[in-house]
Amino acid sequence: GAVVSQHPSWVICKSGTSVKIECRSLDFQATTMFWYRQFPKQSLMLMATSNEGSKATYEQGVEKDKFLINHASLTLSTLTVTSAHPEDSSFYICSARVHTTGGQYFGPGTRLTVT
Amino acid sequence: DAKTTQPPSMDCAEGRAANLPCNHSTISGNEYVYWYRQIHSQGPQYIIHGLKNNETNEMASLIITEDRKSSTLILPHATLRDTAVYYCIDLGSNDYKLSFGAGTTVTVRA
Repeated sequence: GAVVSQHPSWVICKSGTSVKIECRSLDFQATTMFWYRQFPKQSLMLMATSNEGSKATYEQGVEKDKFLINHASLTLSTLTVTSAHPEDSSFYICSARVHTTGGQYFGPGTRLTVT
Repeated sequence: DAKTTQPPSMDCAEGRAANLPCNHSTISGNEYVYWYRQIHSQGPQYIIHGLKNNETNEMASLIITEDRKSSTLILPHATLRDTAVYYCIDLGSNDYKLSFGAGTTVTVRA
């Protein structure tokens, strides 16, 4: 149990375009999901907290208008990177918090490359 | 920012126990000790967590000192697939945000 999926697993896009990444909790409900970013040889950095049915909470320094988060259901959160630039190339990872137990489980990550 | 400190790297031999230390110098009474690991190019994987008592599951054992200022994750029989970056994290019972430090890069050698 407690499986989290992400789609796509990797994506290449051109500079200036937008990319949507999906995060799904497959066998549990997640009222809270989290989005992280990880650059090569660095640790995970929390970008934002996504709460079902309400606006996301962004960490300091993360542009909310550039990284749009939608959490419309208890099993799905999406991250849209708008007007992507090469510096947005990174490994994006989501996690989902199990409502009943509080445990947090991570997706496999999405590798974004902006050319 | 991460509140725990870990050695940057560690080697261990396949089949032997791996003991991974973590210092929790600022841990508060209601914070749990969590351990995750991240295998290269994958999302982090939950390993184990505890509050005061030692814990064991199918993956590992967790030893927490009486003052809770340090913990040790024990992988009883390390395999090559245990090569990963291991993170220890302090997390309050009402706190949802996991703050990842640099972790310990564990390399299991044949």
